[in-house]
Amino acid sequence: EAQVTQNPRYLITVTGKKLTVTCSQNMNHEYMSWYRQDPGLGLRQIYYSMNVEVTDKGDVPEGYKVSRKEKRNFPLILESPSPNQTSLYFCASSLSGTSGSTQYFGPGTRLLVL
Amino acid sequence: AQSVTQLDSHVSVSEGTPVLLRCNYSSSYSPSLFWYVQHPNKGLQLLLKYTSAATLVKGINGFEAEFKKSETSFHLTKPSAHMSDAAEYFCVVSKVDSSYKLIFGSGTRLLVRP
Repeated sequence: EAQVTQNPRYLITVTGKKLTVTCSQNMNHEYMSWYRQDPGLGLRQIYYSMNVEVTDKGDVPEGYKVSRKEKRNFPLILESPSPNQTSLYFCASSLSGTSGSTQYFGPGTRLLVL
Repeated sequence: AQSVTQLDSHVSVSEGTPVLLRCNYSSSYSPSLFWYVQHPNKGLQLLLKYTSAATLVKGINGFEAEFKKSETSFHLTKPSAHMSDAAEYFCVVSKVDSSYKLIFGSGTRLLVRP
């Protein structure tokens, strides 16, 4: 089944404790992206990747890191999480980074930083 | 610059009555537009997309949307609401320059009354 998977689905952590949220897609998509969803704000892009080894900042990159060593994986790293990073995170992928290319979303990771 | 405004944060309808979720967009060129749906505690699912072909776009589950350039609108409609339509709906415009990302509206929560 074609899908985007994220792990973990739920995570409670404490301020300053490094964590990684994994994202994997099995559709051979070139483009991958991370978003965070906060009430009343819709989804905002954190980072994106047009292809392997090509990553760039989105609208809200502060406090996050990403890497794209393989085409299928795009992990999101929080080196020193803070309470304002408590949010619902979505990974997405699309065949390409061109207008009209449909993005497919993972199930989401709900993060609580105490 | 691209942006999208969802005119209603909440819409309440009775089962069997029509649904109208309103969306206005701003784009400096011909945009690609999407509607996504998010059911409680679920990821985002694509309902439909417009990519400069037919202005009336049909999606899944009986939804459709009409692209009106003169009104810069992309309203989502369904002739008859079903209880299972209760969810949050996002109008989305794609942005393409040196990057590619989706710009989300703030969402409309649809409540369906029995």
